[in-house]
Amino acid sequence: SQELEQSPQSLIVQEGKNLTINCTSSKTLYGLYWYKQKYGEGLIFLMMLQKGGEEKSHEKITAKLDEKKQQSSLHITASQPSHAGIYLCGADSGSGNTGKLIFGQGTTLQVKP
Amino acid sequence: NAGVTQTPKFQVLKTGQSMTLQCAQDMNHEYMSWYRQDPGMGLRLIHYSVGAGITDQGEVPNGYNVSRSTTEDFPLRLLSAAPSQTSVYFCASSRDSQSSGNTIYFGEGSWLTVV
Repeated sequence: SQELEQSPQSLIVQEGKNLTINCTSSKTLYGLYWYKQKYGEGLIFLMMLQKGGEEKSHEKITAKLDEKKQQSSLHITASQPSHAGIYLCGADSGSGNTGKLIFGQGTTLQVKP
Repeated sequence: NAGVTQTPKFQVLKTGQSMTLQCAQDMNHEYMSWYRQDPGMGLRLIHYSVGAGITDQGEVPNGYNVSRSTTEDFPLRLLSAAPSQTSVYFCASSRDSQSSGNTIYFGEGSWLTVV
């Protein structure tokens, strides 16, 4: 079965610094989702990547899917306290948009003012 | 624009009690699913549905039942709650598989404690 491994598991950065979170799959990714979660709240959709080499950006967050479609990275530029939370990568468990996701264990981000 | 709505947000149950977690979406999505989130384990799929009248098991279905009588609603039933079912539950919905760039929307979660 497919597994997603996120690294690092936790991260503490100083405000203004850049950071990267990685998500590695044991199988080819057919749909890779990034979500952000604040403690006690639901999942906020950030971006979805499908094609090898694809890159998407929203405000200061950029997500990439490698050409082989087995690894994705989430990069935050000039981090702010508002970026703090848990970042989760999720991937479609089938070979297309089945609506069934498997998730990595999450990366907890703290941003120090 | 409600999106995916879950109720209740918090619930405490005694072992052996039954309850239903409600999930409703107003986006006319075909696909709906239930996940549970436990510390250090991410989210795991419990049950899912590809349309009204169609449900199937996910990764951790034991102890849970679902039904999908309408497109909008997908309730999750715990027939006899156990402490191992203490978790945070999330409902999600999305359009069908033919739609490219499919976004999966999640509800705000239901915190369940079984004592």
